[in-house]
Amino acid sequence: DIVLTQTPLSSPVTPGQPASISCRSSQSLVHSDGNTYLSWLHQRPGQPPRLLIYKVSNRVSGVPDRFSGSGAGTDFTLQITRVEPEDVGLYYCMQATQFPPCTFGQGTKLEIK
Amino acid sequence: EVQLLESGGNLVQPGESLRLSCAASGFIFSDYAMSWVRQAPGKGLEWVSYIGPDGDNTKYADLAKGRFTISRDNSKNTLYLEMNSLRAEDTAVYYCAKGPGSGRKTINAWGQGTLVTVSS
Repeated sequence: DIVLTQTPLSSPVTPGQPASISCRSSQSLVHSDGNTYLSWLHQRPGQPPRLLIYKVSNRVSGVPDRFSGSGAGTDFTLQITRVEPEDVGLYYCMQATQFPPCTFGQGTKLEIK
Repeated sequence: EVQLLESGGNLVQPGESLRLSCAASGFIFSDYAMSWVRQAPGKGLEWVSYIGPDGDNTKYADLAKGRFTISRDNSKNTLYLEMNSLRAEDTAVYYCAKGPGSGRKTINAWGQGTLVTVSS
């Protein structure tokens, strides 16, 4: 199974400052169809996860443009240009290139300083 | 608006069985693959099982093989997870999830979750 490793595991950020989360895969996430099925999810405390970004860099409708995804192959990044208080919570990367199973990173906790 | 409403979570003893349900609305249920994903207390997300739109294609994580059965009733817009021989390590919030399907190949929507507690 593909293992996704996120860094950092915890990120204290001052509101208005940028944040970046890395997701490294144990294998290339390029599918045989040419697409890369790497997504980013956000989970606020006590809430279910919510999809933010799919196929590396495609933002879901309604997700603020301060969120962006990038990367290729085995290395991916979620960036938040200016963190806002509502951005706190856990962020997960998820892959479905090699399915089953789909696998998740261990999560990165974004905290406000 | 997509809505997924899970039910059936409960406190059970090790070795017992439980059936979870998920009522879907806001989309054409029979067009979409569905999954169950779980989250143990204070832990990360763990995919459990998948079923294709027609119900004829099912997949399981190793943790579920031989013990869990996923099914769906498209006439009722409902997804199920039958869980047998439950263990303490199955204690988790179980989420009903839309996907991964073709196209985006991701999980597009999540229910609020239902808590399963396995303890004597």
